[in-house]
Amino acid sequence: DFQMTQSPSSLSASVGDRVTITCRASQDISNYLAWYQQKPGKVPKLLIYVASTLQSGVPSRFSGSGSGTDFTLTISSLQPEDVATYYCQKFNSVPLTFGGGTKVEIK
Amino acid sequence: QVQLQQSGPGLVKPSQTLSLTCAISGDSVSSNSAAWNWIRQSPSGGLEWLGRTYYRSKWYNDYAVSVKSRLTISPDTSKNQFSLQLNSVTPEDTAVYYCARAMFPVALDYWGQGTLVSVSS
Repeated sequence: DFQMTQSPSSLSASVGDRVTITCRASQDISNYLAWYQQKPGKVPKLLIYVASTLQSGVPSRFSGSGSGTDFTLTISSLQPEDVATYYCQKFNSVPLTFGGGTKVEIK
Repeated sequence: QVQLQQSGPGLVKPSQTLSLTCAISGDSVSSNSAAWNWIRQSPSGGLEWLGRTYYRSKWYNDYAVSVKSRLTISPDTSKNQFSLQLNSVTPEDTAVYYCARAMFPVALDYWGQGTLVSVSS
């Protein structure tokens, strides 16, 4: 079975900190990787697609990198409004598997 | 601006069929560049892609293996919407169900508001 493995599953950081979330695919997916942000009680929101392209309207403190099997989402300076769970998703072929999520909290 | 409006019951009895509809505005279910997806989120929190329908000169469907034998996703071009039907539900199908548009390679860029469906007698 294809798997998307995110780490860590949760993290706590201070306002202004640099935060990094990792997503690993069990097979090569080229750069067909998306990142979503889901705030508590809200609908998931697309942040980044094709591994590093910022969706329109997303703050520039968010960035993505990687290709093949290893990907990273970085928040350069964590803000209070970034408290959310972040999910990666493969997008090269079905099934469009999601990672397990990373919950980001403010310390 | 694309908008997706979900409708359907919030409570379904075990063994019955879960039916949801996603009405599209700002795009067409028959678009040659979009795909129309259903995703669910269990009470434990994880997101699970369920399946999609899309039009590329003819209609195609893809389904997750976990629900393939029970799931039908179908377009309704007359109403510009698409629907989900999940048969023989159990309490494990209790989740928030979302519809979403996919534009390759942009991923799931527009989502419905979500519908909490509980499976209980």
